[in-house]
Amino acid sequence: GAGVSQSPRYKVAKRGQDVALRCDPISGHVSLFWYQQALGQGPEFLTYFQNEAQLDKSGLPSDRFFAERPEGSVSTLKIQRTQQEDSAVYLCASSARGGYGYTFGSGTRLTVV
Amino acid sequence: AQRVTQPEKLLSVFKGAPVELKCNYSYSGSPELFWYVQYSRQRLQLLLRHISRESIKGFTADLNKGETSFHLKKPFAQEEDSAMYYCALRTNAGNMLTFGGGTRLMVKP
Repeated sequence: GAGVSQSPRYKVAKRGQDVALRCDPISGHVSLFWYQQALGQGPEFLTYFQNEAQLDKSGLPSDRFFAERPEGSVSTLKIQRTQQEDSAVYLCASSARGGYGYTFGSGTRLTVV
Repeated sequence: AQRVTQPEKLLSVFKGAPVELKCNYSYSGSPELFWYVQYSRQRLQLLLRHISRESIKGFTADLNKGETSFHLKKPFAQEEDSAMYYCALRTNAGNMLTFGGGTRLMVKP
């Protein structure tokens, strides 16, 4: 596609519910990143993939958060047993090999009620 | 660990006035610094990076290693510059970006 596509755009989850957020990167982009952006704050790094390999997951806030990219293209961020503090915009970004400029998606706004 | 600080949450100026959005960082190595911008109802996009030493939309930013700063400047603000601006740092050890908290720039007519 022409850009990074994220779905859904908005998600309302009841506390305790599991959610799955999808990211379609730009075709051919090797690197894929997930960021979490709480209201009024800058994006915070969650995890990074190079192709299908998850090279860095140091930003995942708890073991309730899990990300995968099984075929090196589409990625899914899964949050189990959602809590209110998980409410945020989840941003996905991709870049080409050796690229410095990430292309961000529009994000998924998750609200946990 | 690295850290990026943007001390101003909101900066309001009149059209035609100079603008300086402040960014300070802490990192013991040699960082790469970036400015990202998010216009209303649009996605986050790269504005400029220090390595390029370029001017984009009239904006420039100089990396000052002595003061650990990377302030974004524009001599004459335009209304279309109104947006959220994020300073970001990438270390030489990885690919991820560390963002500041952002500054909302409002340019009044």
